[in-house]
Amino acid sequence: DSGVTQTPKHLITATGQRVTLRCSPRSGDLSVYWYQQSLDQGLQFLIQYYNGEERAKGNILERFSAQQFPDLHSELNLSSLELGDSALYFCASSVGTGVSEAFFGQGTRLTVV
Amino acid sequence: SQQGEEDPQALSIQEGENATMNCSYKTSINNLQWYRQNSGRGLVHLILIRSNEREKHSGRLRVTLDTSKKSSSLLITASRAADTASYFCATAPSNTGKLIFGQGTTLQVKP
Repeated sequence: DSGVTQTPKHLITATGQRVTLRCSPRSGDLSVYWYQQSLDQGLQFLIQYYNGEERAKGNILERFSAQQFPDLHSELNLSSLELGDSALYFCASSVGTGVSEAFFGQGTRLTVV
Repeated sequence: SQQGEEDPQALSIQEGENATMNCSYKTSINNLQWYRQNSGRGLVHLILIRSNEREKHSGRLRVTLDTSKKSSSLLITASRAADTASYFCATAPSNTGKLIFGQGTTLQVKP
């Protein structure tokens, strides 16, 4: 158990809908990362937050947004969903701003139908 | 685009044999890390090697880093069936907060 909790584990939704994925980082970790894993694109870095502030941005679509709350949990919002958004979404956390060992949650499997 | 490229994409060996995976990357880095992923599950951190280190060991794992060639290798010695998984290298490019993953090597260890 990595200590990172992601909910829900599975999500099935229709095209055009909006969903929210939730992540609770490991106790004491201030950085949260979001990744998307699909068969064709592999593991894509989406965004990083550190102590509530956006720290780094990757290949995150404009339809996607994220935030980190004062209690350090994070949410990834995906809107106007398309079939191609179907993927595993992982949250990871680490202690500091620099990239040291990251602890991954078990992921949310999103299926858009 | 991905920072790292891994080779081979797939590897099948017998239990007890050694497995070697290679990773190449493009930009300067702070460190390079290796992760393991069992099918459909979260990634587990295996080992981190800093840019000023050349070799690191952890149990049956040995990692090398050649910054002049922008490459790294992961050696798993005396493999076990439980080592069957996908292995990813991840680089932390200098001056960014990103951790960029390669496409991974799928390792199958046959009992």
